[in-house]
Amino acid sequence: SQQGEEDPQALSIQEGENATMNCSYKTSINNLQWYRQNSGRGLVHLILIRSNEREKHSGRLRVTLDTSKKSSSLLITASRAADTASYFCATVTGGFKTIFGAGTRLFVKA
Amino acid sequence: EPEVTQTPSHQVTQMGQEVILRCVPISNHLYFYWYRQILGQKVEFLVSFYNNEISEKSEIFDDQFSVERPDGSNFTLKIRSTKLEDSAMYFCASSELLAGWTYNEQFFGPGTRLTVL
Repeated sequence: SQQGEEDPQALSIQEGENATMNCSYKTSINNLQWYRQNSGRGLVHLILIRSNEREKHSGRLRVTLDTSKKSSSLLITASRAADTASYFCATVTGGFKTIFGAGTRLFVKA
Repeated sequence: EPEVTQTPSHQVTQMGQEVILRCVPISNHLYFYWYRQILGQKVEFLVSFYNNEISEKSEIFDDQFSVERPDGSNFTLKIRSTKLEDSAMYFCASSELLAGWTYNEQFFGPGTRLTVL
C-alpha cells in the first residue's frame, strides 16, 4: 500500500456514536496531519501530531500516533450529521513533501 | 481570519494550451505548496516551495509544470501544454516557519477546477 493509507474506506454511523479512522504509512515522518474535505471542496486542517507525540486532543477529536507501528488513528466522539465528510491523513517528510492517503468517507446519519 | 485564496475558481482550456493558476498565500507564511486532486481520487502532492526555490517535487511535476513567486504575494503554477489528464482540482497551500524548522499545519485554498478539453 502507499504512504498514508486509511481504513476503513467508508464508514456509516448514527449521530451520537463515535467514529474511528485509521491511517498507516511506510516511511519516517516529521509529523502527521488529519484533514477534512466536504464533497470536493477545499481541505480543512483538523489536527497535527508530531513524530515525538503519542496523543493529541482538539475538541471532539482525538488523534494517536504509534511510530513503531507507523500508524495513526482519528477518533471523533459524539458524531453529528455535520461531521459527514471525507477525512484524510497526510504524512509530512523532509523537504516539506506531504503525502495524502485515499481517505475515509464518513457518513453520519441523523 | 487570514486565508489562502486562489483564482480562477474554474478554468476551462483547450488541450495544448498554457494555463497559469494563481494563489495568494497567507501573508506571513513562507512555505508554499501545490496539490492536485483528480475527481474521486486522493489529493496528490505536486511541489513545495521555500525561499524562492523548489524544496521537493513529485513525479507528477515534470517539465510541463513550473512554479513562481513573481512578487511578494502571489504564488503561481504554470502548466505549459495541458493534456486531458491534467483535468483536476488544483489546491494551493501555505504554512509558516516555526522556530527550529518545525513543520506546521498547512492552510489550503478553495482550489481551482481545471478542465482540459
